[in-house]
Amino acid sequence: GESVGLHLPTLSVQEGDNSIINCAYSNSASDYFIWYKQESGKGPQFIIDIRSNMDKRQGQRVTVLLNKTVKHLSLQIAATQPGDSAVYFCAEIRRSNYQLIWGAGTKLIIKP
Amino acid sequence: DAMVIQNPRYQVTQFGKPVTLSCSQTLNHNVMYWYQQKSSQAPKLLFHYYDKDFNNEADTPDNFQSRRPNTSFCFLDIRSPGLGDAAMYLCATTRDRGEEKLFFGSGTQLSVL
Repeated sequence: GESVGLHLPTLSVQEGDNSIINCAYSNSASDYFIWYKQESGKGPQFIIDIRSNMDKRQGQRVTVLLNKTVKHLSLQIAATQPGDSAVYFCAEIRRSNYQLIWGAGTKLIIKP
Repeated sequence: DAMVIQNPRYQVTQFGKPVTLSCSQTLNHNVMYWYQQKSSQAPKLLFHYYDKDFNNEADTPDNFQSRRPNTSFCFLDIRSPGLGDAAMYLCATTRDRGEEKLFFGSGTQLSVL
């Protein structure tokens, strides 16, 4: 059934500090794990992905860590800035069935 | 420059009055998706087109239909909007199926009175 009034997990971080957003995934057969950023009033924007045979990948100010043993994915944002304020969604995809599965979002709030 | 463009940005319709949302893309991608997103929730896939091949999700109500007249354009038709259909509708594209990097438009926020 549909969840009504779902409470969005929130993470508050001081500007300049590092942020760590966590996600648990369900399908161990997924090929890629992905992070999307959604700013208020906009569509989601791809940030970074990681292939299932990797455990770490770095981008510009972002790092994604994959722990397949406990089915855990995390997004680390270095030196958090006001522009990082958004809802962050994790997702996983199994290319054989084209299915993209979205995780719950986390709202990141930057404190000045 | 916007690569996936959705119009209108905000749409208000009356209960039961048909409404059409539009999406266009300049990426020449083969796949176009329509998602429904309600407050604080992850986007929910309604259907997608792989070229001209229409793929409906099993739990998408019949009230929702889609058309893709050409590569660039895709439309979402809601035949008889109910109050529960008020949501953000997002269009997205990928070059091919099974790709993890979706390109989203800014969405159309639909209100049903």
